[in-house]
Amino acid sequence: EAGVAQSPRYKIIEKRQSVAFWCNPISGHATLYWYQQILGQGPKLLIQFQNNGVVDDSQLPKDRFSAERLKGVDSTLKIQPAKLEDSAVYLCASSSHPSGRLETQYFGPGTRLLVL
Amino acid sequence: GDSVTQMEGPVTLSEEAFLTINCTYTATGYPSLFWYVQYPGEGLQLLLKATKADDKGSNKGFEATYRKETTSFHLEKGSVQVSDSAVYFCALREGNQGGKLIFGQGTELSVKP
Repeated sequence: EAGVAQSPRYKIIEKRQSVAFWCNPISGHATLYWYQQILGQGPKLLIQFQNNGVVDDSQLPKDRFSAERLKGVDSTLKIQPAKLEDSAVYLCASSSHPSGRLETQYFGPGTRLLVL
Repeated sequence: GDSVTQMEGPVTLSEEAFLTINCTYTATGYPSLFWYVQYPGEGLQLLLKATKADDKGSNKGFEATYRKETTSFHLEKGSVQVSDSAVYFCALREGNQGGKLIFGQGTELSVKP
């Protein structure tokens, strides 16, 4: 079974530029998550999708971050304009069932973003 | 709100030493508890989990027991190997909060030969 795929793996941009990250979850997984992991910290949820609907985006900075999951499969996370504090690893995860305490989330390798 | 606190790293051990990484949590309900591991250059991998009080999760020689009375989920391994060098994250998940994981800050483990 193929894992969660993410691209690009690394990205360097200047502040105020825009950037987009792509995630392809495990086939058949209905739930998709985007997490932000700042250096030295644990991952923090940005947004959760159930199929193509948003379940939780309470910690997404909506003035600059946006995400979509067209057709309930792939997802794109965008930052526009980027700030220095957005430098982090962006992790995508997926799980097979609707959110539940027993469900395992599978993580992709992440996209490391550096904003200069 | 819910939170997870881990012991600070880095932790440096010699091969075959005993490992304990402390993890305590604060939650309003009855969360599931997880340990994830992140090897250098790789993504997060689930190491083990426990879903109710007194459950013991185990995998690859690692164990952790869900202690509701002390709100803890400490990770242990009897004899570490160089290949266990990684960052370990404790996390909880409340079923009534959309299923998101709440992570601790991570503990870096370095095992020397």
